[in-house]
Amino acid sequence: NAGVTQTPKFRILKIGQSMTLQCAQDMNHNYMYWYRQDPGMGLKLIYYSVGAGITDKGEVPNGYNVSRSTTEDFPLRLELAAPSQTSVYFCASGPRRDSNEQFFGPGTRLTVL
Amino acid sequence: AQSVTQLDSQVPVFEEAPVELRCNYSSSVSVYLFWYVQYPNQGLQLLLKYLSGSTLVKGINGFEAEFNKSQTSFHLRKPSVHISDTAEYFCALTGGGNKLTFGTGTQLKVEL
Repeated sequence: NAGVTQTPKFRILKIGQSMTLQCAQDMNHNYMYWYRQDPGMGLKLIYYSVGAGITDKGEVPNGYNVSRSTTEDFPLRLELAAPSQTSVYFCASGPRRDSNEQFFGPGTRLTVL
Repeated sequence: AQSVTQLDSQVPVFEEAPVELRCNYSSSVSVYLFWYVQYPNQGLQLLLKYLSGSTLVKGINGFEAEFNKSQTSFHLRKPSVHISDTAEYFCALTGGGNKLTFGTGTQLKVEL
């Protein structure tokens, strides 16, 4: 199993540009998540999904959109990039269990200039 | 509401010395607790978890943690650290729902 994969690894965007961060998992997990990590702030949940076709907002959803058309894929869309979206983005997935263990991808480092 | 507090943002320690990374939590419901490790430029990796049963939990790489309900703590310990343990460590919890709440992380720096 490849686990959770993310592309790209790095990206520089100009203000106002848009892009999609890709996330895929091959563990047949129902739950998938997008986090952003900023220095000294820990991880903040952007969006999550409990299954194909079902998504919901996390703590910091503004400026982002998601979709979940398949169990495997959970892309994150930035429509109008802003400097405040400079961050490291992590995708995670987990099985449907009360323990809610999550498995993380390697991350995408995004800079908006 | 739930929260996780990691008061120490950085912990320097010499190689082969013991270390304790502190984690306190707040929750109105029973919790599951986790420690994750993040090596430089990598994603998070599960170190150990407490779900139920024995309050002393052993994880990978010689780490262990003790769940203390009365003190609402889940401190991480290792009796002898190695230079390769240099990383950021995150404590997290869930109340049985489908979302994790993370602490702000503790940077462990192991020096020779």
